Amino acid sequence: QQQVKQSPQSLIVQKGGISIINCAYENTAFDYFPWYQQFPGKGPALLIAIRPDVSEKKEGRFTISFNKSAKQFSLHIMDSQPGDSATYFCAARDGNTPLVFGKGTRLSVIA
Amino acid sequence: EAGVAQSPRYKIIEKRQSVAFWCNPISGHATLYWYQQILGQGPKLLIQFQNNGVVDDSQLPKDRFSAERLKGVDSTLKIQPAKLEDSAVYLCASSPRTGARWVTNEKLFFGSGTQLSVL
Repeated sequence: QQQVKQSPQSLIVQKGGISIINCAYENTAFDYFPWYQQFPGKGPALLIAIRPDVSEKKEGRFTISFNKSAKQFSLHIMDSQPGDSATYFCAARDGNTPLVFGKGTRLSVIA
Repeated sequence: EAGVAQSPRYKIIEKRQSVAFWCNPISGHATLYWYQQILGQGPKLLIQFQNNGVVDDSQLPKDRFSAERLKGVDSTLKIQPAKLEDSAVYLCASSPRTGARWVTNEKLFFGSGTQLSVL
């Protein structure tokens, strides 16, 4: 059972453009929504995270938008750079369970 | 600060053979996880340790997988016998969480993983 559905599976964006990755969940008990970034041959690394009491969180060029009523959250990468090319995973958890990850989005930023 | 260390980096075995992976977490991190990442999918939790005790192994295929964390530091994950569907990257992660109770905004630090190919 996939608890977090992520889309798209892959994404190609021009340098300087905006990358948008979406995730949807069903479990209304989830109260923590991180995004992890994974480069080839490396483990995932925490990029940014949000709690459901806010609708948006921004850190540099990375923004999470959260829609509690729709049970969706998304990652926006502004001014995308070739160095952002990686696989991005959304994840979620509640206070009683470990993180569950989406299937990942492979982002390629081309010059 | 040194990160999570894992070895070997790659491993190729034939089905029905056994294999072991090693993990050394970040110094002082009490919580250690083993995840399985199949190609094209997100990491899936196999087992969680708090110090040297198992907290959650509900998703560990116990007929073939085993894990231990002696002295609450290093950990090993073993597969015996391996099946073709065990081909994956095995990731170890640690966190500074010290209590058994979940912390919602717990940050996980992942190692680079061991890529296992079962032929």
